[in-house]
Amino acid sequence: KAGVTQTPRYLIKTRGQQVTLSCSPISGHRSVSWYQQTPGQGLQFLFEYFSETQRNKGNFPGRFSGRQFSNSRSEMNVSTLELGDSALYLCASSLGRQGDGYTFGSGTRLTVV
Amino acid sequence: TQLLEQSPQFLSIQEGENLTVYCNSSSVFSSLQWYRQEPGEGPVLLVTVVTGGEVKKLKRLTFQFGDARKDSSLHITAAQTGDTGLYLCAVFMNYGGATNKLIFGTGTLLAVQP
Repeated sequence: KAGVTQTPRYLIKTRGQQVTLSCSPISGHRSVSWYQQTPGQGLQFLFEYFSETQRNKGNFPGRFSGRQFSNSRSEMNVSTLELGDSALYLCASSLGRQGDGYTFGSGTRLTVV
Repeated sequence: TQLLEQSPQFLSIQEGENLTVYCNSSSVFSSLQWYRQEPGEGPVLLVTVVTGGEVKKLKRLTFQFGDARKDSSLHITAAQTGDTGLYLCAVFMNYGGATNKLIFGTGTLLAVQP
């Protein structure tokens, strides 16, 4: 079956701009989680969506937002980009039950210049 | 402070050597997962351990969950270059959300030299 698909793979943006990243989960998976990965901070949890509802949120500023559509596809948006937002953004899908393993996409590498 | 501390942070070994990486915490967990992330890819789930003292084997990889369910170890026998990657432990924790969220450790970066 198809894996988790993230688009685009690479993105270069300028400070102050906004960006939207997309994630298509495995068919049948209703939970999508987003993570930011940087060399200094590791994998940091951004938020989780389940059946179009945000049910968990990490400690990121309000410039980071997300949503989930009825087909479980998810998008995350970062507004007013800062240099420190440069990172690998990963999304993961799961069935949404506690303890389930996550299946990750290959990520979107965002560079802010 | 990090919920899950992994050690060592970096490890460079020769092919054929054995190694052990650790995942430690002061908290008790109902289960713990191990992932491996290769360069340019997302993490891939290797195993989930749920019982204190549990040992699981995946070919040359042996995973152990501590008796008190606060820590875990991953032992690789006769490492191969294909084992190169970032090894991450992860647990579900509740920080006030509707459900628990998956939190990752600091990671161990393993390089196996030919």
